[in-house]
Amino acid sequence: AQTVTQSQPEMSVQEAETVTLSCTYDTSESDYYLFWYKQPPSRQMILVIRQEAYKQQNATENRFSVNFQKAAKSFSLKISDSQLGDAAMYFCSYLSGSARQLTFGSGTQLTVLP
Amino acid sequence: GAVVSQHPSWVICKSGTSVKIECRSLDFQATTMFWYRQFPKQSLMLMATSNEGSKATYEQGVEKDKFLINHASLTLSTLTVTSAHPEDSSFYICSANPPSYEQYFGPGTRLTVT
Repeated sequence: AQTVTQSQPEMSVQEAETVTLSCTYDTSESDYYLFWYKQPPSRQMILVIRQEAYKQQNATENRFSVNFQKAAKSFSLKISDSQLGDAAMYFCSYLSGSARQLTFGSGTQLTVLP
Repeated sequence: GAVVSQHPSWVICKSGTSVKIECRSLDFQATTMFWYRQFPKQSLMLMATSNEGSKATYEQGVEKDKFLINHASLTLSTLTVTSAHPEDSSFYICSANPPSYEQYFGPGTRLTVT
């Protein structure tokens, strides 16, 4: 079974600074997808960024980018120019190419300091 | 983007009663929907996979007779918590798969059993 590990339960960053959230995963599959979801206090799950495993290029979405290291099974999220609205719980997740069930990490609570 | 709704957003019920939660995909058809449970400050725990026109697949440890799932159409899945007890109080989230690998999440339902 696949596992997703987020080793940072809590992180904080100063507004306008950059922060990196870590995620590692374990799989024997070659076809899979990785995601970072954000869950603000409203508890609505919001997709931040996605990465297809077959793509070598790291995904970027405005201020959000990932460092995808396939051999190391690492998938970190970098948030640049942090904003107060970025404060949320962030979940790293894995989706098998052969199944449709998401596997979630335990989450990282991000605090943005003004 | 694809929209998933849940109803109700918050429900309070008395111990021993049953509660039904609806999950709808508003602008796409979903052959598969997922139900999650989330405790405060924890990750999402997959309860079951709901398949249109067939029986749901429950995760290990989830009581299928207590959490009844029905996926009667391509846009609607329901979760019924039968004979609810205070320990069933939680946040329940559904997600739906359009014909792609992505999942779209509903806003969640907060259940409080008194």
